[in-house]
Amino acid sequence: SQTIHQWPATLVQPVGSPLSLECTVEGTSNPNLYWYRQAAGRGLQLLFYSVGIGQISSEVPQNLSASRPQDRQFILSSKKLLLSDSGFYLCAWSGTGRTGGTEAFFGQGTRLTVV
Amino acid sequence: GQQLNQSPQSMFIQEGEDVSMNCTSSSIFNTWLWYKQDPGEGPVLLIALYKAGELTSNGRLTAQFGITRKDSFLNISASIPSDVGIYFCAGPRGATNKLIFGTGTLLAVQP
Repeated sequence: SQTIHQWPATLVQPVGSPLSLECTVEGTSNPNLYWYRQAAGRGLQLLFYSVGIGQISSEVPQNLSASRPQDRQFILSSKKLLLSDSGFYLCAWSGTGRTGGTEAFFGQGTRLTVV
Repeated sequence: GQQLNQSPQSMFIQEGEDVSMNCTSSSIFNTWLWYKQDPGEGPVLLIALYKAGELTSNGRLTAQFGITRKDSFLNISASIPSDVGIYFCAGPRGATNKLIFGTGTLLAVQP
């Protein structure tokens, strides 16, 4: 069965420090991968979307970047965090529809607080 | 960009009441998905719909794929406190089947 791992669960970082959040998927190949940010009680803001290794689509201008160095690994990074980067970050994968369904499955999320 | 509009934005109901929410788009979708997000966790898939007019149940939840393929509905019967959370609709778009999520409906249930 497919699983998705996202870590860490919580993170407190000072302003100006770097960030690296990692997400890995098991049990599937060539998934679509997503990074979302969510403010408290609000909707899902899509940050980055990837359809393959090295293929990253940035959905909104921001202080963050994403990389996909391996098929099932998706990394969210920042060189210098801002206070406004605080939030709940979610990684997700979905099928492409070519060999299975298109449903998305989410990690447990990372609560980032920039202080 | 493409957006799925959910209504209502939030609902505050009494335990035992039935709940209805919907999701609409200006574009056609071939799949509709409904998710629930508990506080502090990632969204979890509740129901998937694959055909126009399809009606699917999961316990007290029932979802329908609209005939026009531009909308979908989720009903919760006899709500309980653990139904609290944010409900999202979603659908795949484009050649890569990128998932588009709705704006969410926040549900609060008063015991």
